[in-house]
Amino acid sequence: AQSVTQPDIHITVSEGASLELRCNYSYGATPYLFWYVQSPGQGLQLLLKYFSGDTLVQGIKGFEAEFKRSQSSFNLRKPSVHWSDAAEYFCAVGASGNTPLVFGKGTRLSVIA
Amino acid sequence: DGGITQSPKYLFRKEGQNVTLSCEQNLNHDAMYWYRQDPGQGLRLIYYSQIVNDFQKGDIAEGYSVSREKKESFPLTVTSAQKNPTAFYLCASSVGRDEQFFGPGTRLTVL
Repeated sequence: AQSVTQPDIHITVSEGASLELRCNYSYGATPYLFWYVQSPGQGLQLLLKYFSGDTLVQGIKGFEAEFKRSQSSFNLRKPSVHWSDAAEYFCAVGASGNTPLVFGKGTRLSVIA
Repeated sequence: DGGITQSPKYLFRKEGQNVTLSCEQNLNHDAMYWYRQDPGQGLRLIYYSQIVNDFQKGDIAEGYSVSREKKESFPLTVTSAQKNPTAFYLCASSVGRDEQFFGPGTRLTVL
């Protein structure tokens, strides 16, 4: 069965600083990988996804993620964080068909001035 | 606009009562899902349905029930057997292995 680990529960960065959120997955075949963002009291919004091809994927709001098969990782990055990026971020892995995505426990991002 | 709607946004329940959370989608997606979210717990899967008139238990199905009589609707009933139902509930839908689209959520509080 697939699983996702987000090692960092909470990260605080200064506005304008770079950001990297870590995600490690466990899945036997080629994974479908996703990053979602959630603002307090809201649903989840997709930031980006990886299915195949170029291992560096671009998403919305200036985010990107890199798939590294050898490290079973799909880390999310942003070169310059804005105060509005403060939210909870979830990494997820998909298996086959219409089976549910498996989500990590999330990383809460705080942004300070 | 296509999307997922959940109602109500806030719901209050007295102990011993059953309550039903609504989830409707107009995306023509085959699969629908219900998740429960508690602080620090991430998303935990309650039930999912891959096709009309069929559904499967997720990781925390006890105390919950669902139905899938129409493709666009997947209501969740929180029964009195669920001992700690206060949480944020999220509904989602998808097609194939692609992304899951999420609704805005319902916050349930037991009084």
